[in-house]
Amino acid sequence: NAGVMQNPRHLVRRRGQEARLRCSPMKGHSHVYWYRQLPEEGLKFMVYLQKENIIDESGMPKERFSAEFPKEGPSILRIQQVVRGDSAAYFCASSPRTTYQETQYFGPGTRLLVL
Amino acid sequence: KQEVTQIPAALSVPEGENLVLNCSFTDSAIYNLQWFRQDPGKGLTSLLLIQSSQREQTSGRLNASLDKSSGRSTLYIAASQPGDSATYLCAVSAPRATFGDGTTLTVKP
Repeated sequence: NAGVMQNPRHLVRRRGQEARLRCSPMKGHSHVYWYRQLPEEGLKFMVYLQKENIIDESGMPKERFSAEFPKEGPSILRIQQVVRGDSAAYFCASSPRTTYQETQYFGPGTRLLVL
Repeated sequence: KQEVTQIPAALSVPEGENLVLNCSFTDSAIYNLQWFRQDPGKGLTSLLLIQSSQREQTSGRLNASLDKSSGRSTLYIAASQPGDSATYLCAVSAPRATFGDGTTLTVKP
């Protein structure tokens, strides 16, 4: 059973471009979480999704950021019109359910650099 | 709002020492607590997971404890080695994870 997959692992964009980050959860997992780690800072929660539903997006910036987790395919974190302050490591995690015994399994992260 | 604090922020020890990293959290309504290791520029390596109903977990030279009522966890590293040098992160989940800012450990040969 492969772990959580994220791609690309490294992404370089110029200011104003769009960035698409993909997360494939572990097989059988229907819950996905996205976290962001800004340089020299801790990891912060961004959004929590189930298949075709956004459950909690309280950590998402109000503008330019969106996330989806379609019925088929990976979860996508989309950043429009990127700015230098978006440069960070973006981690996703997946879990099968949200009962109290379920843990999250983290992917290797995507490192976004905005020039 | 859950807040997670890790003390100390940085720690430098000579090789062979036993050491303790501390983590405290403000809301005891958690699903579990997890300790991670992160090397510079790398991802997260899960070290130990303690469910909310458990008191401790052990893996090799690592032992983590959880006192949910007081909002505290400790990570004990025995006989530290230079290869243990990394940033150690504590995270509580309910279900989304809230991370501390980490303790950066340096083990000197």
